[in-house]
Amino acid sequence: AQKITQTQPGMFVQEKEAVTLDCTYDTSDPSYGLFWYKQPSSGEMIFLIYQGSYDQQNATEGRYSLNFQKARKSANLVISASQLGDSAMYFCAMRVTGWFSNAGKSTFGDGTTLTVKP
Amino acid sequence: NAGVTQTPKFQVLKTGQSMTLQCAQDMNHEYMSWYRQDPGMGLRLIHYSVGAGITDQGEVPNGYNVSRSTTEDFPLRLLSAAPSQTSVYFCASSYSREANQPQHFGDGTRLSIL
Repeated sequence: AQKITQTQPGMFVQEKEAVTLDCTYDTSDPSYGLFWYKQPSSGEMIFLIYQGSYDQQNATEGRYSLNFQKARKSANLVISASQLGDSAMYFCAMRVTGWFSNAGKSTFGDGTTLTVKP
Repeated sequence: NAGVTQTPKFQVLKTGQSMTLQCAQDMNHEYMSWYRQDPGMGLRLIHYSVGAGITDQGEVPNGYNVSRSTTEDFPLRLLSAAPSQTSVYFCASSYSREANQPQHFGDGTRLSIL
């Protein structure tokens, strides 16, 4: 079974500063993908960034980067130069591949609420 | 492109009633899934489908049925609504079930069971 743990229920950051949201995962599958999604107060789920289990380099997408430490089973999201619009709930998720019975299923963490202070 | 469309956006039911939450995608995605999100929590998988005619149970399937007669549509049926099913329901789709495919989400259906 897959498990995602986000240990920070809430985080605060000053506008224009960087912030790291923690995510640890557990799986026995050798091939998997790690995702971060943003959920603003309006409720929609927005895909931010992806990291594959075999990727050698950390993923980056604009102000978002993923600090992937495979040995520690962690996939932390780093948001640089925080903006007021970054205030939202952030979810870490994992998806496994291959031909196992749970192939394609996604597992989500409980989320971290980020508040950006002006 | 409309992406993933869920209807209705809001619904109030009485205990024991049944209803169908609709989900349609226009991206020709193989993989579709239904999640529920309870307050302050992440998403839990209810049912999923890897293609037309193929469905399977997720983490919390009890009280829900699904079918997938076309690639585009993946309705979720509540058989006999219970207050414990009060939640926000999300439908999602992806090109395939491969691990590198992000999911595209609908805007959600807020369901209250009285």
